[in-house]
Amino acid sequence: SYELTQPLSVSVALGQTARITCGGNNIGSKNVHWYQQKPGQAPVLVIYRDSNRPSGIPERFSGSNSGNTATLTISRAQAGDEADYYCQVWDSSTPVIFGGGTKLTVL
Amino acid sequence: QITLKESGPTLVKPTQTLTLTCTFSGFSLSTSGVGVGWIRQPPGKALEWLAFIYWDDDKRYSPSLKNRLTITKDTSKNQVVLTMTNMDPVDTATYYCAHSREGSSWPFDYWGQGTLVTVSS
Repeated sequence: SYELTQPLSVSVALGQTARITCGGNNIGSKNVHWYQQKPGQAPVLVIYRDSNRPSGIPERFSGSNSGNTATLTISRAQAGDEADYYCQVWDSSTPVIFGGGTKLTVL
Repeated sequence: QITLKESGPTLVKPTQTLTLTCTFSGFSLSTSGVGVGWIRQPPGKALEWLAFIYWDDDKRYSPSLKNRLTITKDTSKNQVVLTMTNMDPVDTATYYCAHSREGSSWPFDYWGQGTLVTVSS
């Protein structure tokens, strides 16, 4: 079955750039979606189809996907960006797959 | 404006069957391409997809749980119901329903607030 691998945690200094990766076999051939989840809240879609931002999501959030790694990039990180981030793809074997999640800490 | 809300018991006993209802507004499950999924999250753990139902009543289930899950829809009531049999303490989680569309390019773009279900005797 297909698996997605995310780092457990990523730290970034306030105002700097955070990069959260999502690894999977030939993930570049799939559409990757990213969700932000703050404590006690439901997930919120922040990037869809690799690099598209829903309305209301700041331009500081961007995404890329190539080869075996998809990346969520958060520029000029703010304290309010502290959250868990999950990647997600659709796969023929297990239709919906989520990564294990990455906790972003803004220092 | 699309909204979804989960409802159901907050506490179930081991071996019992859980029935959760997702009531939504702002879209119709009779519209071509539309779907609703269920996702759960044990306390402190990652998201886990459970099931998905499409506008044409096509259904998909997590392979690891498919023997315990049933998903149905009531288009007239704008509801999707998920049942999970033989509940166990490891099934304790927040259960979410979410809107999506058919096809691999679509994310879960709208989520309910979630409902916490505890499995305990």
